[in-house]
Amino acid sequence: NAGVTQTPKFRVLKTGQSMTLLCAQDMNHEYMYWYRQDPGMGLRLIHYSVGEGTTAKGEVPDGYNVSRLKKQNFLLGLESAAPSQTSVYFCASSYSTDEQFFGPGTRLTVL
Amino acid sequence: GQQVMQIPQYQHVQEGEDFTTYCNSSTTLSNIQWYKQRPGGHPVFLIQLVKSGEVKKQKRLTFQFGEAKKNSSLHITATQTTDVGTYFCAGASTDSWGKLQFGAGTQVVVTP
Repeated sequence: NAGVTQTPKFRVLKTGQSMTLLCAQDMNHEYMYWYRQDPGMGLRLIHYSVGEGTTAKGEVPDGYNVSRLKKQNFLLGLESAAPSQTSVYFCASSYSTDEQFFGPGTRLTVL
Repeated sequence: GQQVMQIPQYQHVQEGEDFTTYCNSSTTLSNIQWYKQRPGGHPVFLIQLVKSGEVKKQKRLTFQFGEAKKNSSLHITATQTTDVGTYFCAGASTDSWGKLQFGAGTQVVVTP
C-alpha cells in the first residue's frame, strides 16, 4: 500500500519549458488535489478533482492545467514554465471531505 | 473569499514548556483540520473538528473549535523535541466540496 506517490521528486526547468507532474494513489479515493507550497504562505490549492473525469479550479490555477482520466491518477501540467512557478508541489487525496493524504512532494525550480 | 489566518507564524519553545497556536477564519466553517509537517516532509493529518465548541485531545495535544465555528486552537503541553515542525490549520466552508483553505502555519522550534 504505497498511499500517494508523486513523480518526479525534483526537477529544474528553463523558462518556457513544459512538464507534467504525476500523482498516483492506491486508496480508491474520489477526491484529489494539487497544492503549491511557498515559504510563509502555507499550502495553496491549484486545482482539484471530485471524481474521475472531473476537474475544477482552486485558489491559484493560472499557468496550470490538470487531467483526471483515471481515478487513481491526477496530472498537473505546466505549459510554459515561469520563475514564479518555482515551488514545492504537493498532491493529496481523500475519500470525501475529510482527512487528506499527502504525497512526498515535487521540488520544482524554474530558471 | 474565505481567509484563514494563523498566529504566531513562529514559536520558539523550551523543552517542557506549553504553547498554543491560533487559527481564525473570516467565514463560518463546516469543519477545521490540523496538519503537521516535519522539516523536509509532507503535511500529515492530525485531527478534524466538526462541532461547535468541540474539544479533542491526542496525548499532549488539545484541539478546540470555537462556538461560532470561526476559530480554533492547538495547545501542546510539555513540549518535546519530537514536536518540532510546522502546524497548519485548514478550514472547509460549507460549500467547499472538500476544498481546504490552509493557514500560513506555525513553525515550532524546540530547544532542549
